[in-house]
Amino acid sequence: QVQLVQSGAEVKKPGASLKVSCKASGYTFTSYGITWVRQAPGQGLEWMGWISTYNGKANYAQRLQGRVTMTTDTPTSTAYMELRSLRSDDTAIYYCARVPAYYYYMDDWGKGTTVTVTS
Amino acid sequence: QSMLTQPPSVSGAPGQKVTISCSGSSSNIGAGYDVHWYQHLPGTAPKLLIHGDINRPSGVPDRFSGSKSGTSASLAITGLQAEDEADYYCQSYDSRLSAYVFGTGTKVNVL
Repeated sequence: QVQLVQSGAEVKKPGASLKVSCKASGYTFTSYGITWVRQAPGQGLEWMGWISTYNGKANYAQRLQGRVTMTTDTPTSTAYMELRSLRSDDTAIYYCARVPAYYYYMDDWGKGTTVTVTS
Repeated sequence: QSMLTQPPSVSGAPGQKVTISCSGSSSNIGAGYDVHWYQHLPGTAPKLLIHGDINRPSGVPDRFSGSKSGTSASLAITGLQAEDEADYYCQSYDSRLSAYVFGTGTKVNVL
């Protein structure tokens, strides 16, 4: 069955960088895109960006442009999301999710990675 | 910044029907982009409920149904059950932002 297994919880200091991984299994990795979504405490879901696992093309949310980079490693079927210059309001649960080709929805999700940014 | 507006909460007794609205604009729902719905229980991964406005993935009960008209969409839950108590989000694509957009989220309370 489809699985998206994310890396473990992180605690970071303001100004630091974060890199979360998302290892996919149970399907052909390059046939689906990957999006990253986060949820800050008490807030709704926020789309962070999308990456094509086929050619590495990425599209980021405007408010994160310049701080976020999404990459993939096809041999290990793993997607990565790096967020730099962390601030306290980056404290959130970060999810990766699978996107069927040519569509704009997420049909399977990872369980989430809790990230706390605190001094 | 969310471009899709939902009511903060809706409530219903077991067995009743509740409807959640999702209001967008001419650059997302009104532009013809599909609307999708997710159920999110705290501490768990969001779950796809409806894709392509009206389609239920396998395993989603037919108590859940979606519709769309103009710049808005709706999710209906009939025969409300205690296990339906969760947060629900609509989602679409916005051509002006070139971004996926989520709704503000709606908490369903089962009385």
